Amino acid sequence: DTEVTQTPKHLVMGMTNKKSLKCEQHMGHRAMYWYKQKAKKPPELMFVYSYEKLSINESVPSRFSPECPNSSLLNLHLHALQPEDSALYLCASSQGGRVNYGYTFGSGTRLTVV
Amino acid sequence: AQKVTQAQTEISVVEKEDVTLDCVYETRDTTYYLFWYKQPPSGELVFLIRRNSFDEQNEISGRYSWNFQKSTSSFNFTITASQVVDSAVYFCALSEDLNQGGKLIFGQGTELSVKP
Repeated sequence: DTEVTQTPKHLVMGMTNKKSLKCEQHMGHRAMYWYKQKAKKPPELMFVYSYEKLSINESVPSRFSPECPNSSLLNLHLHALQPEDSALYLCASSQGGRVNYGYTFGSGTRLTVV
Repeated sequence: AQKVTQAQTEISVVEKEDVTLDCVYETRDTTYYLFWYKQPPSGELVFLIRRNSFDEQNEISGRYSWNFQKSTSSFNFTITASQVVDSAVYFCALSEDLNQGGKLIFGQGTELSVKP
C-alpha cells in the first residue's frame, strides 16, 4: 500500500459546526503533515507530526486542532471555522529521520465553510 | 530560511512544443532535497522527481528532464514534445535535512496550458 487516504473528499460545514478530517497511511512512514491550499496558491504547511508527536505548528489558529492517535492516522479537528478557511486540505507522509525519501500526498479534502 | 521561486506564473504552448519551467531556490543548509510535483485540476499532488543536493546528475524520464545546477541554485524542468495531458500546475519544492519531519516548502507554482 503506497497511498495516503483522506476522508471525506468533500465537506461543507457551518461556522458553528465541529467536524474532523481524517488521514491514513500504511507505509510505515513516521512523519505526517497537514497542508492548506487556497485556489491558485501553493500548499502551505500547517502541522508536522514526527513519531506521533507534534513537531511543527506554523502558528495555525486554535480552531484547527491536529491529533495523531497512532503512527498510521492523522486527524484535523475543525471548530468554529470562518468562510476564509475554505480550501483544499492535503495530508502527506514521509519516512522521517535524517534521510528524505520524499513525500506522499493524499488527494485532499475540499472544505467549504458557509 | 528556505525559499523557492518560480518566476513563471503561467505558460501557454501549443502541443508538441518543448517547454521549460524554471525553479530557483534558497537555503543555508548544505544537505537538502528538491522536488517537482504536478497538480492537475482534480487537485492531487503527483510526485515527479526528487533530487538530493549532493547529486548533481541531471535526469531524464521519457519526455521529462531536469537540470540541477547548484552554482546557480536552480532546478529547471523541461517537457519535450508537450501534450494536452501535461496541462496542470507544476510546483517546485524544497526540503532541508532535519532530524524530524522536514518542512516541504513550495514555490508559487507555474500553470502550464498545452493547447491542441
